[in-house]
Amino acid sequence: DTGVSQNPRHKITKRGQNVTFRCDPISEHNRLYWYRQTLGQGPEFLTYFQNEAQLEKSRLLSDRFSAERPKGSFSTLEIQRTEQGDSAMYLCASSPLRGGHSPLHFGNGTRLTVT
Amino acid sequence: DAKTTQPNSMESNEEEPVHLPCNHSTISGTDYIHWYRQLPSQGPEYVIHGLTSNVNNRMASLAIAEDRKSSTLILHRATLRDAAVYYCIQNRDDKIIFGKGTRLHILP
Repeated sequence: DTGVSQNPRHKITKRGQNVTFRCDPISEHNRLYWYRQTLGQGPEFLTYFQNEAQLEKSRLLSDRFSAERPKGSFSTLEIQRTEQGDSAMYLCASSPLRGGHSPLHFGNGTRLTVT
Repeated sequence: DAKTTQPNSMESNEEEPVHLPCNHSTISGTDYIHWYRQLPSQGPEYVIHGLTSNVNNRMASLAIAEDRKSSTLILHRATLRDAAVYYCIQNRDDKIIFGKGTRLHILP
């Protein structure tokens, strides 16, 4: 168990550019979640996958955001035409079973700064 | 979304027990209560979870009220490393929805 890995740890980009983040979950965890966190707030749910299927997207998630998990292993989160309001910590988590009684394991996040 | 209510912040002295309260008055019969904590510059870390009965693990204890509308996370002997934001979550529909949590300060 090497934990959930997220890359890069930090990303600075200019407004209007596209960015992509990667998450490698714990091996054999079939659930993968993306969250966004801004300063002073709790993590905000964005979307989650069971294997390669994206089961839910938050209605707060702009059309500029897209997430994939093509082979049911790692996942990517892409933000197109970034805006300054996208600056946040992007967190990934995975779990082995249904979330109700299975804890989520979080990575340490990717911090995005849009200038 | 299932909502919980926690105090914004709490203080405790080092080496003393800490009781972190949480209200979840809208809880339904199948919702689990989860607790996570988040240290600075890190992702949230699972602490404990339960459904109806009180739970203990190496990190903490979880006391759940009989009507399940509230719970208390108990750190038996706080250390400086326990200073963090603690989130109480009512797990519904396989989503962990975070509130603002309780910022716990530990005084040496």
